[in-house]
Amino acid sequence: ELKVEQNPLFLSMQEGKNYTIYCNYSTTSDRLYWYRQDPGKSLESLFVLLSNGAVKQEGRLMASLDTKARLSTLHITAAVHDLSATYFCAVKGMNRDDKIIFGKGTRLHILP
Amino acid sequence: DAGVTQSPTHLIKTRGQQVTLRCSPKSGHDTVSWYQQALGQGPQFIFQYYEEEERQRGNFPDRFSGHQFPNYSSELNVNALLLGDSALYLCASSSEGAGNTIYFGEGSWLTVV
Repeated sequence: ELKVEQNPLFLSMQEGKNYTIYCNYSTTSDRLYWYRQDPGKSLESLFVLLSNGAVKQEGRLMASLDTKARLSTLHITAAVHDLSATYFCAVKGMNRDDKIIFGKGTRLHILP
Repeated sequence: DAGVTQSPTHLIKTRGQQVTLRCSPKSGHDTVSWYQQALGQGPQFIFQYYEEEERQRGNFPDRFSGHQFPNYSSELNVNALLLGDSALYLCASSSEGAGNTIYFGEGSWLTVV
């Protein structure tokens, strides 16, 4: 059964610093998603990663995928307070009917 | 182009009651998935509907049931509500032929008292 683990689960950091959130998953996958969730809100799609070595960037966020290591990273560059939110990774298995499984989320708090 | 719409946004029910939540997918999407998100947790997959049939199901009891209509909209029904069913219920919309992104609605906040 597919399992998805994120770490850290909570991260408090200063503005201007860099940090990385890690997402490990247990079985072969062909699709990995990153979402952002603000308190009391729904999920906002950030990235969809489809292939080994895929890298996508949007502003201060960059996501990468290593399918051999079953690892995705979400890197935050020069953090700003507006990036404070909970970030989820979600993974879909290789089969068409496989479910999408979410990690527990990383609650990111950026201090001004 | 409307995104994924859900109703109601908030509701309060009593233990033992039944609830129906509704979802209209994004235009051009034919697949609807439902998730339960308890406070402080990640979304948990309930089930997915495609072509009016349940295609996949997560580890939820039979009290949770659903339906998809010919226009691709969907309902989630929960019978015999328990306190532990209190959560944010999210509808996700997707289509194999419309890109890889999965879009979520704003959710329905269910409180069971």
